[in-house]
Amino acid sequence: GAVVSQHPSRVICKSGTSVKIECRSLDFQATTMFWYRQFPKQSLMLMATSNEGSKATYEQGVEKDKFLINHASLTLSTLTVTSAHPEDSSFYICSPAGGTSHEQYFGPGTRLTVT
Amino acid sequence: GQNIDQPTEMTATEGAIVQINCTYQTSGFNGLFWYQQHAGEAPTFLSYNVLDGLEEKGRFSSFLSRSKGYSYLLLKELQMKDSASYLCAVRDNTDKLIFGTGTRLQVFP
Repeated sequence: GAVVSQHPSRVICKSGTSVKIECRSLDFQATTMFWYRQFPKQSLMLMATSNEGSKATYEQGVEKDKFLINHASLTLSTLTVTSAHPEDSSFYICSPAGGTSHEQYFGPGTRLTVT
Repeated sequence: GQNIDQPTEMTATEGAIVQINCTYQTSGFNGLFWYQQHAGEAPTFLSYNVLDGLEEKGRFSSFLSRSKGYSYLLLKELQMKDSASYLCAVRDNTDKLIFGTGTRLQVFP
């Protein structure tokens, strides 16, 4: 399977600060990046889809000015949670797509806790 | 709208067989995936179905009926380590992967 890394794996931040999460596709070119979040005991919810070099498309109910997505290269995408609130505490997972396989791979996830 | 349904929880005994069902109504269909997810970890790929029928991979099998909007994941010879959440996901006609609610499976000795 594809190798996908996320950094950091865990982060604790104070309310009102911003946090940047990096997702790297290490062995294939990710023309598309999906960002998901998962609240405890719930399934994955798609937040946004980004194509390399283009603006991200956000799902209904996800604030584009709060969750800034940058997909400037085929191997790196970032999600920045701005002015974080405790309700943003969640597990954030990236999923790059664009290889020849039908499979969709996931990064190891980032556990964000906002205090 | 998009709708993918799975039972919330299931229990089974070590060594037994369990079938986890998934029904879906989505905007188009470009394949159905099953993932396993242990607590605190990202999902790991189990199976992919795009044509009707059964796909077998070791102890795990997955079945798809597109006309019925139905799939199941069959786990044989259950082991304690199979205790996890199992996520059904459908790739729609925009290539988005939409996840079901997930089924938490507990395997008892």
